[in-house]
Amino acid sequence: DQQVKQNSPSLSVQEGRISILNCDYTNSMFDYFLWYKKYPAEGPTFLISISSIKDKNEDGRFTVFLNKSAKHLSLHIVPSQPGDSAVYFCAASAILTGGGNKLTFGTGTQLKVEL
Amino acid sequence: GAGVSQSPSNKVTEKGKDVELRCDPISGHTALYWYRQSLGQGLEFLIYFQGNSAPDKSGLPSDRFSAERTGGSVSTLTIQRTQQEDSAVYLCASSKGVYNEQFFGPGTRLTVL
Repeated sequence: DQQVKQNSPSLSVQEGRISILNCDYTNSMFDYFLWYKKYPAEGPTFLISISSIKDKNEDGRFTVFLNKSAKHLSLHIVPSQPGDSAVYFCAASAILTGGGNKLTFGTGTQLKVEL
Repeated sequence: GAGVSQSPSNKVTEKGKDVELRCDPISGHTALYWYRQSLGQGLEFLIYFQGNSAPDKSGLPSDRFSAERTGGSVSTLTIQRTQQEDSAVYLCASSKGVYNEQFFGPGTRLTVL
């Protein structure tokens, strides 16, 4: 049962254009959402997050949008750069029974930014 | 400063053998998590440690999997009697507190032949 879904396994965009990565979730208990970026042979690195009380969070070239009614979030990268080429994971946070912050991840989207 | 480190980076083992994977979290981080990523899958939560509290083992797939965290720092994930379906990248993450951003290590790629 995939609670966090990234339906596009790959995305290719031209340098300078906008990249839009999408993510859907099913569990309404999720209250915090994150995007992680992963290069080959490295662990994921945190990119940007959004609380469920907001609908937008912006950090430089990266903006995350949250549509709670649709249980959908998206990551916008503009302008896209070749160094942005990586796998992007959407993650949703649910509080564990004893406290803590379990992350439920999507399967990832491979972004390729072409010159 | 130093990030989360994991060892070994790669481990190839035969079916039925036991393996131990090690994680060194960032100094001062009280929360430690283990995840795994199987081929074509997202990251799957395994276990969580917070300070001296009992770990949350709700994600462990079977009783062949266990983990310890000694002295509130280094953690080892042990898989007994490995099976081919255990082949995956095992990732460790740590965070300052329970609600803070998690920092990931590079992972251990386990291959069970």
